[in-house]
Amino acid sequence: DADVTQTPRNRITKTGKRIMLECSQTKGHDRMYWYRQDPGLGLRLIYYSFDVKDINKGEISDGYSVSRQAQAKFSLSLESAIPNQTALYFCATSRDRGGYNEQFFGPGTRLTVL
Amino acid sequence: AQSVTQLGSHVSVSEGALVLLRCNYSSSVPPYLFWYVQYPNQGLQLLLKYTTGATLVKGINGFEAEFKKSETSFHLTKPSAHMSDAAEYFCAVSDPVNAGKSTFGDGTTLTVKP
Repeated sequence: DADVTQTPRNRITKTGKRIMLECSQTKGHDRMYWYRQDPGLGLRLIYYSFDVKDINKGEISDGYSVSRQAQAKFSLSLESAIPNQTALYFCATSRDRGGYNEQFFGPGTRLTVL
Repeated sequence: AQSVTQLGSHVSVSEGALVLLRCNYSSSVPPYLFWYVQYPNQGLQLLLKYTTGATLVKGINGFEAEFKKSETSFHLTKPSAHMSDAAEYFCAVSDPVNAGKSTFGDGTTLTVKP
């Protein structure tokens, strides 16, 4: 079974709709992250969470919000989707805040906003 | 602030040839460095990492990378390319100053020709 799962895997929606992407992990990690991937731009950090009560904005948080419902669950919401939010979204986890441990990624959610 | 530059967004090699993917980083403190691989329709997975100690790091699938502080580089190599190595490769840097957050390069797509 996958350690980091994301639902849905694909989603097509319309401009102005509210969308929630969900991430669950069974690795027991405290740290969770949301990234978006655009061709040629690598991964950009949207939000990250050190634990349930510690949520932080990343470099591109405008237009997004998150909820850390439990250690294992971290959801990303687009309150009013717009076409330039069309991208591949990844959830990731890591063991600690020191930065020397790698991140474990989910399979991604491909979001298309029409 | 930390940053990563991957030289060459696309690299093409013949099967059996040397693979060299270039990564240069910037960090205000000693960095932790990572290479990740992304196969089509999958999330990223760790190839190898450098934290401390030996500067030549060996990873999975025959890849290795050498940390060169004087050149601020962490280039990825493999002596003999295999068709299954075709993927996108990301270099990443993290450090404790930035709360352990990782900054990713823009990625290099490796094509392996038969």
